[in-house]
Amino acid sequence: GDSVTQMEGPVTLSEEAFLTINCTYTATGYPSLFWYVQYPGEGLQLLLKATKADDKGSNKGFEATYRKETTSFHLEKGSVQVSDSAVYFCALSRNNFGNEKLTFGTGTRLTIIP
Amino acid sequence: DTAVSQTPKYLVTQMGNDKSIKCEQNLGHDTMYWYKQDSKKFLKIMFSYNNKELIINETVPNRFSPKSPDKAHLNLHINSLELGDSAVYFCASSPGGPVGKLFFGSGTQLSVL
Repeated sequence: GDSVTQMEGPVTLSEEAFLTINCTYTATGYPSLFWYVQYPGEGLQLLLKATKADDKGSNKGFEATYRKETTSFHLEKGSVQVSDSAVYFCALSRNNFGNEKLTFGTGTRLTIIP
Repeated sequence: DTAVSQTPKYLVTQMGNDKSIKCEQNLGHDTMYWYKQDSKKFLKIMFSYNNKELIINETVPNRFSPKSPDKAHLNLHINSLELGDSAVYFCASSPGGPVGKLFFGSGTQLSVL
């Protein structure tokens, strides 16, 4: 079945450091790929998405490129801030009878220290 | 206005009890979901409803029964609670379609003692 594998956390970085969170997936066909972010005490929010190979999703300085040849969707940010501290989830989407079904990775906790 | 709201935010109860979690969305979406997040933050879909009709049921014990009185509400009733049911339960909604976006509630932390 479909699955998503993320790098294990926690990840701790200093402010303004470069961030990479690795994500690879296993799926047949052409899933859509997502990064969701969960801030403390809140539900998940969509951060960015890509729907086909070589698409780049971007938002709030974060980027991820859909790489079909390596089945990857790594999240990157050039200069992180304390406010980026959160749990980040990679996910893929399949249609199931016309509805979204998201399969999530295990999440990576990111802590940014000033 | 909160787009997807769940109540209660915290629920502490004894083993064997029956409890319900309510969810409402004011986004006009056709599809609603329940996800379970365990202590290691792993998220797994439990149910999906589209216009009050059950679409996805992911091998969830029969003790869990979702109910959708209308497309804006999806409640989760749990019978005979067990220790292993302790988790955070998230409700979500989406407009549906091939590449939609899910809107999550802020979660209900269930602790079974």
